[in-house]
Amino acid sequence: NAGVTQTPKFRILKIGQSMTLQCAQDMNHNYMYWYRQDPGMGLKLIYYSVGAGITDKGEVPNGYNVSRSTTEDFPLRLELAAPSQTSVYFCASSETVAGNTGELFFGEGSRLTVL
Amino acid sequence: SQELEQSPQSLIVQEGKNLTINCTSSKTLYGLYWYKQKYGEGLIFLMMLQKGGEEKSHEKITAKLDEKKQQSSLHITASQPSHAGIYLCGADGTYKYIFGTGTRLKVLA
Repeated sequence: NAGVTQTPKFRILKIGQSMTLQCAQDMNHNYMYWYRQDPGMGLKLIYYSVGAGITDKGEVPNGYNVSRSTTEDFPLRLELAAPSQTSVYFCASSETVAGNTGELFFGEGSRLTVL
Repeated sequence: SQELEQSPQSLIVQEGKNLTINCTSSKTLYGLYWYKQKYGEGLIFLMMLQKGGEEKSHEKITAKLDEKKQQSSLHITASQPSHAGIYLCGADGTYKYIFGTGTRLKVLA
């Protein structure tokens, strides 16, 4: 069972560079999420998607973009990377039913450093 | 927007000791989830509480939801080194799923 797969696991970027974090799930979940976790902190929601073609901003969307062209994939794009975007990024998915989110399934995380 | 505050922020206990972690919401809780994160890894779902007064147990971990106090507690009995990690509570909030600030647990052998 693959579950939620994130790539890459580690990446170092220079200030101003761009990159895309990939996320794929094979559970046919309708909801997908991107979170960031700064050292010693909880998770902050960046963007989420309720289905293919539908995305919405979370708490901290600035500096990021997402797309959801298929149910399986939910890539996160960083444009013009800044040191403040140094963090660990987690992708998650859930099978939301009747408004209840239920259990989130997480990827292993992508550790990004911007120098 | 809804916020989840956890206490304590960090905890160091001797193996075999009991401990409690609290999660307090700024708004009414309609459902509360507990996750565990091993250092450097993703989150693993522990349990979900949906009704006030509901209590669930998994192995030596028990969680309870007190809707009136907008609070949930996670209790670990006879802690073991395998319990070490970061515990996070989660809830359906303004921006869909939100998480608490986390409690970092260290268990000394």
